[in-house]
Amino acid sequence: ETGVTQTPRHLVMGMTNKKSLKCEQHLGHNAMYWYKQSAKKPLELMFVYNFKEQTENNSVPSRFSPECPNSSHLFLHLHTLQPEDSALYLCASSQTTSGGQETQYFGPGTRLLVL
Amino acid sequence: TQLLEQSPQFLSIQEGENLTVYCNSSSVFSSLQWYRQEPGEGPVLLVTVVTGGEVKKLKRLTFQFGDARKDSSLHITAAQPGDTGLYLCAGLYNFNKFYFGSGTKLNVKP
Repeated sequence: ETGVTQTPRHLVMGMTNKKSLKCEQHLGHNAMYWYKQSAKKPLELMFVYNFKEQTENNSVPSRFSPECPNSSHLFLHLHTLQPEDSALYLCASSQTTSGGQETQYFGPGTRLLVL
Repeated sequence: TQLLEQSPQFLSIQEGENLTVYCNSSSVFSSLQWYRQEPGEGPVLLVTVVTGGEVKKLKRLTFQFGDARKDSSLHITAAQPGDTGLYLCAGLYNFNKFYFGSGTKLNVKP
């Protein structure tokens, strides 16, 4: 495996379900990100982890719970979601979060549908 | 309100035509990136511009950062069907956080 991988690629869940999204990066990076991409809206940054520590929570509802056990893995735990949470959830990684010309590498995303 | 406005939202052109996509803001950015996203995939970085007035070329793609670092443009010469995709700009604000535009969906017909 190379780059950034995400599983599952597609997920359908009811509002009372609990599920988890997984992201793994094989690039030796130290920073990982969760983004939400909805139709006709800009990519929204949700969470940032740098060296396993959460450095950004962009006012995300508590029904989304991130976990970063190590620099290579990032999870997004989902529970009691709403239909408006249906979107493409993208994971990204970068060497660090130092900004400037930092390059983020994105995974293919998980297409989530909440019924 | 969005920090970055992209225009047009949709663009459908014939192969061989030229096009320009715009990314505008009232805020100053430390740097600006352009990405292309194809269906079923995540965005892929095309270029990063840092200096006001900077111009970068990537084959048939020309990227320009505005003098005041508030806007940017992407010009494609002689578009090809392989250029089809969603083009996203992302501005780095306060050397801290990237804000994305809502994208321009380009369709190049053969």
